[in-house]
Amino acid sequence: NAGVTQTPKFRVLKTGQSMTLLCAQDMNHEYMYWYRQDPGMGLRLIHYSVGEGTTAKGEVPDGYNVSRLKKQNFLLGLESAAPSQTSVYFCASRPAGSYGYTFGSGTRLTVV
Amino acid sequence: ELKVEQNPLFLSMQEGKNYTIYCNYSTTSDRLYWYRQDPGKSLESLFVLLSNGAVKQEGRLMASLDTKARLSTLHITAAVHDLSATYFCAVDRLNSGSRLTFGEGTQLTVNP
Repeated sequence: NAGVTQTPKFRVLKTGQSMTLLCAQDMNHEYMYWYRQDPGMGLRLIHYSVGEGTTAKGEVPDGYNVSRLKKQNFLLGLESAAPSQTSVYFCASRPAGSYGYTFGSGTRLTVV
Repeated sequence: ELKVEQNPLFLSMQEGKNYTIYCNYSTTSDRLYWYRQDPGKSLESLFVLLSNGAVKQEGRLMASLDTKARLSTLHITAAVHDLSATYFCAVDRLNSGSRLTFGEGTQLTVNP
C-alpha cells in the first residue's frame, strides 16, 4: 500500500547510544519532515527536506541529524541519545504543489 | 516566529451537546489544517482550509477560517462518544519552506 512507512515502531535505548530512524515513502513526494510529539506540546518540527540531497533545521533540531540521499528516504539520527529525546517521532511527506501531508504511523522511542 | 494556540486544551462534554474548539495563529499563513489523533495512533486529516471565509463540514464536525482574525474554529454538533480524540490545528506558510506548525492539541472526551 502506498504511504509513509516508519521503521522501527518501538525502540528502547540507553543514554549515550545511537540509532537511526528510517522514513520511507513510495509516493514520489518532494518534501519530507520529521516531527516529535510530547504530551501537551503538539508536534514540533525537528528537520525537514525539500528535495533529494537537501535538509534544513526545524524548531527543535539539537541532538538530531538527518540525511536525504534518496528521494524516497529520510533518515533521522540520534548520535548520543538522552532521556529528553524520549518521545513519539512522526515522519510526514508532501508532494510539491499540493497541500496534502501524509503522516507515518510513528516511532515510540524511550531513552533510559 | 509562527505560533499556533488552541483552546481549550481539555474538553469534557456530554453526548448530544455542541461545542467549539478555537485555533489562533500569530502571523499570516497560507493554509489551515485540522487533524484528529486517537491514542497511540497517527494523525488523520479532517479538513484543509485554504482561504478566508472557508467553511467545511463532515458529519458532526464543521471547520471555518477567518484569516483577518487569524482564527479557525472546529464546531462539534450533537457530540457522540466516537468523537473522543485529540484534535490538532496546524498552519503552513508557502514562503518558509512550507512546513506545518501545530497547536498544542485539544483533548476531547465525550461522556455518555
